[in-house]
Amino acid sequence: EPEVTQTPSHQVTQMGQEVILRCVPISNHLYFYWYRQILGQKVEFLVSFYNNEISEKSEIFDDQFSVERPDGSNFTLKIRSTKLEDSAMYFCASSSRGNSYNEQFFGPGTRLTVL
Amino acid sequence: ILNVEQSPQSLHVQEGDSTNFTCSFPSSNFYALHWYRWETAKSPEALFVMTLNGDEKKKGRISATLNTKEGYSYLYIKGSQPEDSATYLCALIYNQGGKLIFGQGTELSVKP
Repeated sequence: EPEVTQTPSHQVTQMGQEVILRCVPISNHLYFYWYRQILGQKVEFLVSFYNNEISEKSEIFDDQFSVERPDGSNFTLKIRSTKLEDSAMYFCASSSRGNSYNEQFFGPGTRLTVL
Repeated sequence: ILNVEQSPQSLHVQEGDSTNFTCSFPSSNFYALHWYRWETAKSPEALFVMTLNGDEKKKGRISATLNTKEGYSYLYIKGSQPEDSATYLCALIYNQGGKLIFGQGTELSVKP
């Protein structure tokens, strides 16, 4: 069964460093998402992406964040200068359509620890 | 700010018990409600996508109902098994885009 994969599973970085989190969505999906969960808090939406551009982004997704689909298979989230408060589990998701009726398929997450 | 609430936060039951959880959301902002099952160290897995008031969906021993007028959805598990132990998340979609707004989840633990 097709699945969303994410690498790495755990990333430890120093504050101020850049990190790139990678995701491989399901191959025929067209809509891509990043969510994150800070420990003890709700899963929260970061950004949605379709047709090589951002569809919607949350207040969290400021200029320090960017997303890219560099090669037609990978979908990346870059944090330019990490802060302590960026420590969280980051989830990538994809769906075949972008409307409310289609389930999103999630990856297993990347745990980001900023020291 | 749209708020999705789930209760209880955690639940400990014995194998064979039936259980149910609640997801509450603002009834004025509704396009769809998604239920996900999330086991530790695995990907959250979609259980149901519910869109119509009065919807009832079933998958094996798990079923869900939806009341959009009063803003709640129930998830039922009949005859809980240890493999049902997971966190159950509901998520609201309030516009035509796919942005999910999650509740805090209900953590279910089923003891043999």
